[in-house]
Amino acid sequence: EAGVVQSPRYKIIEKKQPVAFWCNPISGHNTLYWYLQNLGQGPELLIRYENEEAVDDSQLPKDRFSAERLKGVDSTLKIQPAELGDSAVYLCASSLSTVTDTQYFGPGTRLTVL
Amino acid sequence: AQSVTQPDIHITVSEGASLELRCNYSYGATPYLFWYVQSPGQGLQLLLKYFSGDTLVQGIKGFEAEFKRSQSSFNLRKPSVHWSDAAEYFCAVGQSQGGSEKLVFGKGTKLTVNP
Repeated sequence: EAGVVQSPRYKIIEKKQPVAFWCNPISGHNTLYWYLQNLGQGPELLIRYENEEAVDDSQLPKDRFSAERLKGVDSTLKIQPAELGDSAVYLCASSLSTVTDTQYFGPGTRLTVL
Repeated sequence: AQSVTQPDIHITVSEGASLELRCNYSYGATPYLFWYVQSPGQGLQLLLKYFSGDTLVQGIKGFEAEFKRSQSSFNLRKPSVHWSDAAEYFCAVGQSQGGSEKLVFGKGTKLTVNP
């Protein structure tokens, strides 16, 4: 069974440029999460989707971050414009449904903003 | 608000020695507790989880954890560490409150294994 797929694995951009990350969850998983992991920290939730609906985006900085999950499968997280402080690892995870279900994580996208 | 504290940022053990990684949580209700491991360049992998029942939970790779409500702790243990266990370990508490469901992670403990 394929795991959570993320691309790209690494991205280097200059500040003020836009950037997008893509995630393909495990087949059949209704819930999709985007997490931000700063160096030396644990992951922090940015947004959670139930199918195609963003049910918790309270931690997403909406002035520059946006996300979508078309057809309730793949998801894209976008930053526009990127700032130096956005340098981090962006993790995608998926689960069958609720918080008690195991979350399966992708390898992440390491973003460096110069 | 829920929080997770992992007091040890970095632990070094010798191969074959026993291991205990500490985790304390703050949560008003019965917590859902998890331990994840992250190897360099990899995503997080679930080691074990506790929802209810037996307070001693067995996980993959020979790990176990014990839930102690009186101490608000969920420490991870392994009787004999292997070099391949070198990684970063994250404790997390599952929050389900007011329509918000998410994992709150600790800052992690980096494990180094000496030969």
